[in-house]
Amino acid sequence: QVQLVESGGGLVKPGGSLRLSCAASGFTFSDYDMNWIRQAPGRGLEWVSYISSSGSTIYYADSVKGRFTISRDNAKKSLYLQMNNLKAEDTAVYYCARGGGTLLRGYFHFWGQGTLVTVSS
Amino acid sequence: QSALTQPASVSGSPGQSITISCTGTGGDIGSYNYVSWYQQHPGKAPKLIIYDVTNRPSGVSNRFSGSKSGNTASLTISGLQAEDEADYYCSSYTSSSTLLYVFGTGTKVTVL
Repeated sequence: QVQLVESGGGLVKPGGSLRLSCAASGFTFSDYDMNWIRQAPGRGLEWVSYISSSGSTIYYADSVKGRFTISRDNAKKSLYLQMNNLKAEDTAVYYCARGGGTLLRGYFHFWGQGTLVTVSS
Repeated sequence: QSALTQPASVSGSPGQSITISCTGTGGDIGSYNYVSWYQQHPGKAPKLIIYDVTNRPSGVSNRFSGSKSGNTASLTISGLQAEDEADYYCSSYTSSSTLLYVFGTGTKVTVL
């Protein structure tokens, strides 16, 4: 069965950095686009970043552009999110989610359990 | 690009049907048949229940159905059950320059 397991979250000071990882299993990772989606405490869902199956196409939400970098290693079946210059408003549970179709279709078929990132001094 | 607009809460009695609306713009829902819906129970990850406006993934109850008219998409839950009590979010591709995908504000469904 499809499984996505995030790791790397934690407490970090404003201006600090974290690298999130998402380990995939149960499907051919290299065939699917992947996304990072976050949810601030008590708030709604916010799409953060997209990477195509090959890694050649990448998009970011304006709220993180220039600070976050998405990447993937298809050989290791892993997705990453490098987060730099973190701000208090980046505090959220971060989910990795497998894309379900083409870029336009943009549905998130499977989700990990999430990893909590807390930015606080 | 702000979030798609959903009612904050919807309630119904067991066995009833309820409908959740999701209003966007011509830059998202109005231009693309790529609306999806997610169910999220407290403390859990979201679960896909509808994609491409009307399609259900394998294993999702046929009590869930989706539709779209103009800039508004809708999710209907028929035969409401206690386990349907959760938060529901819509999502769509967007032509906005600031986002690739936009989510709705979320709707809390309460089973009375």
